[in-house]
Amino acid sequence: KQEVTQIPAALSVPEGENLVLNCSFTDSAIYNLQWFRQDPGKGLTSLLLIQSSQREQTSGRLNASLDKSSGRSTLYIAASQPGDSATYLCAVKGSGYSTLTFGKGTMLLVSP
Amino acid sequence: SAVISQKPSRDICQRGTSLTIQCQVDSQVTMMFWYRQQPGQSLTLIATANQGSEATYESGFVIDKFPISRPNLTFSTLTVSNMSPEDSSIYLCSVAPSENTEAFFGQGTRLTVV
Repeated sequence: KQEVTQIPAALSVPEGENLVLNCSFTDSAIYNLQWFRQDPGKGLTSLLLIQSSQREQTSGRLNASLDKSSGRSTLYIAASQPGDSATYLCAVKGSGYSTLTFGKGTMLLVSP
Repeated sequence: SAVISQKPSRDICQRGTSLTIQCQVDSQVTMMFWYRQQPGQSLTLIATANQGSEATYESGFVIDKFPISRPNLTFSTLTVSNMSPEDSSIYLCSVAPSENTEAFFGQGTRLTVV
C-alpha cells in the first residue's frame, strides 16, 4: 500500500526566503506526482504535475523535482511571499486510472 | 483543464439529518471522485463514481451512509446520511480528464454537524 510522507509538517519563514518542501513515497511504481495548495477550509488548487518520466517541472516561482527511484519529490518556492501561506499537499498516482494517495501536507506561513 | 463547481460551500447541520453535495464539471469526464478531509488530516477517498454504474466505495465507506449519484458525464452528488458530529469534515469532489493529466478539485464543502 502506497504511503506518502511530507516533511516538515509546518514551516514558518520570513518573506523573501527560498524554501523547500519534501515529499516521500514508499512505492516507486507511480504514474505521476502532483503538488497542490490548499487554503484554510477550501478546496485544492493544482500547482504542478510531474509525470513519472520527468525529473522536474517549473511554474513561476515554483519548481518541483522528482526522483522516482528513491521515492522523493521536492517543491522549491523562490522568494516567498505572504500570499504563499497555505498548506501544500503532495499526491502520487499509481498506474492506470487509480486514484491519488495524499500526504498530510506542510502548513506554510510566510510572515511579512 | 476542468472547472468544478461544488455546492454548498459550507453548511451546519443537525445530527440525524442528511446533506446532499453537488458537483458540476464544465466538461465531460468518465470518472468523478469524492474525498473526505477530516480536521487536521489529509484527504481520504470515499468512492469513485462512473456514469451509468454503481459507485465503487473504498474500505470503511458504505453506500447506505454515503449514497452517490452520477446521472451524466458532468454531474454527481454525494449524500452524507444520518449525520453525526464525526462526519464534520471537508468533502471534495475531483476529476482527472484523462489518465496522465492533472487532477482538479472543487472548492470543497465544509460540513459541521452539531
